[in-house]
Parts: sequence; C-alpha cells; structure tokens
Amino acid sequence: EAGVAQSPRYKIIEKRQSVAFWCNPISGHATLYWYQQILGQGPKLLIQFQNNGVVDDSQLPKDRFSAERLKGVDSTLKIQPAKLEDSAVYLCASSNWGGNEKLFFGSGTQLSVL
Amino acid sequence: DQQVKQNSPSLSVQEGRISILNCDYTNSMFDYFLWYKKYPAEGPTFLISISSIKDKNEDGRFTVFLNKSAKHLSLHIVPSQPGDSAVYFCAATSSGSARQLTFGSGTQLTVLP
Repeated sequence: EAGVAQSPRYKIIEKRQSVAFWCNPISGHATLYWYQQILGQGPKLLIQFQNNGVVDDSQLPKDRFSAERLKGVDSTLKIQPAKLEDSAVYLCASSNWGGNEKLFFGSGTQLSVL
Repeated sequence: DQQVKQNSPSLSVQEGRISILNCDYTNSMFDYFLWYKKYPAEGPTFLISISSIKDKNEDGRFTVFLNKSAKHLSLHIVPSQPGDSAVYFCAATSSGSARQLTFGSGTQLTVLP
C-alpha cells in the first residue's frame, strides 16, 4: 500500500515570497490533515478536510495560508506571503473516516524562510 | 495552553533496559490516547493507543498505561533496542473534537548499545 506522498521535501524561500506544498493521501482515505511542526514542538493542526469539504480550519492563519482539496483526493497548502515564523515542517496526514484516530503521515516538507 | 505535556525533552537508556516515557494531559474530555514515533526526516508513525475505558494496552515490547485520575499516561518499552531511538509523541483526542489529535512536544529517546 502506497503511503502519503508529499512534495517538495525541502524548500528555502525569502520572507514575503509565496510557496505551495502538495499532498497525495493514501488511496481511499476520506480525511486529510495539514499539520505544522515547529522545531522542538509537536505537530499542530492547521486544517482538516473530509472529502473535499473543510471540517476545521480554525487554526489556519487565513490572512496568509490557504488550502484546498479539489475532487476530494490530493491537496495543496499555500503560504503567501511567508514570514520568518513560518519556518517549520509541514506534515500531511490521512485517515479513514469513522472514528479511526490512527493517522498516516507523509514525510513532510521542511520550509526555511530567510 | 498546552493540553498535552511531555515534560522530558530527552531520555537515554541502556540497551536491554526499560524505557519509560511520560505524558500528562489537562483536558478531561480526552478519551483516546496514542503514541507516535518519529525518525529524522520521516513523518510520525503510529505506535500504540489506549481508550479511556482501559488502563493498560500491550503490543509486543510496548505497553501504554493510563491513569485517568492523575491525567497521566506512560509508554513502557521493554527491552529497549537501539532501533527504538527516535522522538516519541503523545497525542490525545475526544469524541467531540472530530477526532482531531492534540500532540505533546515529544521526547527524544536514545538507546545506547
């Protein structure tokens, strides 16, 4: 079974530039999550999708972050414009809906904002 | 407001001995708890979980204990192996939260050969 695919693995940008991350979840997984993990901290949920609808985006900084999951499969997360404090690993995860809390994570995208 | 706390950033254990990783939580609505393991440059992977109706769950070398009155859980690894060296995250969720996970800050476990 193929895992959660994310790209790119690494990205270095300057502040005020824009960046986009891509995620392809495990086939058949209806729920998709984007997490932000800052060095030394645990992953923090940014947004949760159920199929192509948003379940929760309360912790997404909507003035600069946006995410979409067209067709209920793969997803993109965008930051525009980036700030220094956005430097983090951005993790995508997926799961089956129905109370299964076991998430499958991708390897993440390491973002450095200079 | 950290609802899930892992107060030990790091732990070193000799190979073959027991590793005990601790986690505390403050939200009494949490009813399901999980441990994830993370190697460098990889995403976290699920290790073991426990429901609040239980106080112990075992899977091979890994056992999770839950003390609801103390709002405390621990992960025991016996015997510890060098391949267990990783960051371990405690996570919690509640039935009223769309099953979203709240993670602790992690404990770096180093198993010395």
